[in-house]
Amino acid sequence: GAVVSQHPSRVICKSGTSVKIECRSLDFQATTMFWYRQFPKQSLMLMATSNEGSKATYEQGVEKDKFLINHASLTLSTLTVTSAHPEDSSFYICSAIPGDRDGGYTFGSGTRLTVV
Amino acid sequence: LAKTTQPISMDSYEGQEVNITCSHNNIATNDYITWYQQFPSQGPRFIIQGYKTKVTNEVASLFIPADRKSSTLSLPRVSLSDTAVYYCLVGDTGRANQGGKLIFGQGTELSVKP
Repeated sequence: GAVVSQHPSRVICKSGTSVKIECRSLDFQATTMFWYRQFPKQSLMLMATSNEGSKATYEQGVEKDKFLINHASLTLSTLTVTSAHPEDSSFYICSAIPGDRDGGYTFGSGTRLTVV
Repeated sequence: LAKTTQPISMDSYEGQEVNITCSHNNIATNDYITWYQQFPSQGPRFIIQGYKTKVTNEVASLFIPADRKSSTLSLPRVSLSDTAVYYCLVGDTGRANQGGKLIFGQGTELSVKP
């Protein structure tokens, strides 16, 4: 089945630094990937839509200059949290849909970001 | 985008059948109904997807009435390992559309007890 790999699974960084999270589709090409954020005991919140070869589309209220998204190839999208602060600590999840088959979106295993 | 409404939580016992109903009154013609399962600190996992009537796979069944304004996920003979949050999502995720957004609702927290 379709597999989306996310790396790293867990990261701790100091306040003010930047962190990059990678999302790869392993056995399919994805022109579109999605980035979500999830706080404890809450649902997933869509942050942005990542489009291969073009700018990402951000949801209302999500700072595009803080959450930089790059979708440079059909199998890789990256999310960079710039100048991270403790309130950015969250569970970040990416997803993509294999366009050549039915079955819904495939999600990565998530990245637990802790900013200290 | 169609909004979904599910019960916040449900309790069950091992071996029972669990039915979780989701309301999506403003579902669009091109929308599919997809259910996901999420364990703590993991990404959601696809369970089942349908457009109309009934769909069954090795883990669940999905019942969709003719008006498609609701759907019911049926989990047969649940076990302790089925304790998780279950999300019902509605969106244009058909094969022809690779860009349809999926917006998560609150989900249903299922607790299976021994």
